[in-house]
Amino acid sequence: EVQLVESGGGLVQPGGSLRLSCAASGFTFSNYWMHWVRQAPGKGLVWVSRINSDGSTTNYADSVKGRFTISRDNAKNTLYLQMNGLRAGDTAVYYCARDLVGPTSYWGQGTLVTVSS
Amino acid sequence: QTVVTQEPSLTVSPGGTVTLTCASSTGAVTSGYFPNWFQQKPGQAPRALIYSTNNKHSWTPARFSGSLLGGKAALTLSGVQPEDEAEYYCLLYYGAAQAWVFGGGTKLTVL
Repeated sequence: EVQLVESGGGLVQPGGSLRLSCAASGFTFSNYWMHWVRQAPGKGLVWVSRINSDGSTTNYADSVKGRFTISRDNAKNTLYLQMNGLRAGDTAVYYCARDLVGPTSYWGQGTLVTVSS
Repeated sequence: QTVVTQEPSLTVSPGGTVTLTCASSTGAVTSGYFPNWFQQKPGQAPRALIYSTNNKHSWTPARFSGSLLGGKAALTLSGVQPEDEAEYYCLLYYGAAQAWVFGGGTKLTVL
């Protein structure tokens, strides 16, 4: 069974850092592009970042470029999102997704990040 | 700043047909934007419905279809069911920026 389990969310002060993880199981993780998508409370979906199967290509939304870094460890079947310089506007549920825009799309259940003093 | 625009809300009667659209601030939406559609119900993670304009996932009910219509991406629901009440999001690819952008979402009410 395919599973994506996000973790690492929590309360952090403005300007702080947090690293999210997404543990994958039930499929060959190293074959897939992976994405992060976020959703502020009561708001819409926002694409954040993507990484290709071997980690050599990454892309970011303008709103997080230079502050967030996506990475992956295919040996550990885990996707990461390192978030630095956090702002109140980064408060959201963060979802990881496999093959977001392809035939084998699958989403995790998300982890909540709250940026507040 | 690229903006993807959807109808904020639509209402449809059970058994009826409704079309949701997705427009780009950069101009006409073409297949090169690889339009995707997602459904999200309250308290749940989103679920993919349509990829690359008109391709259905194995779990997508037959009553859902994707297309291009008048310079926009479109999601048509034919024979709407009560369980189709949800928020629907489109997603477009902007190749020059190598970035994806979601629309603001359409809240579909079945009444």
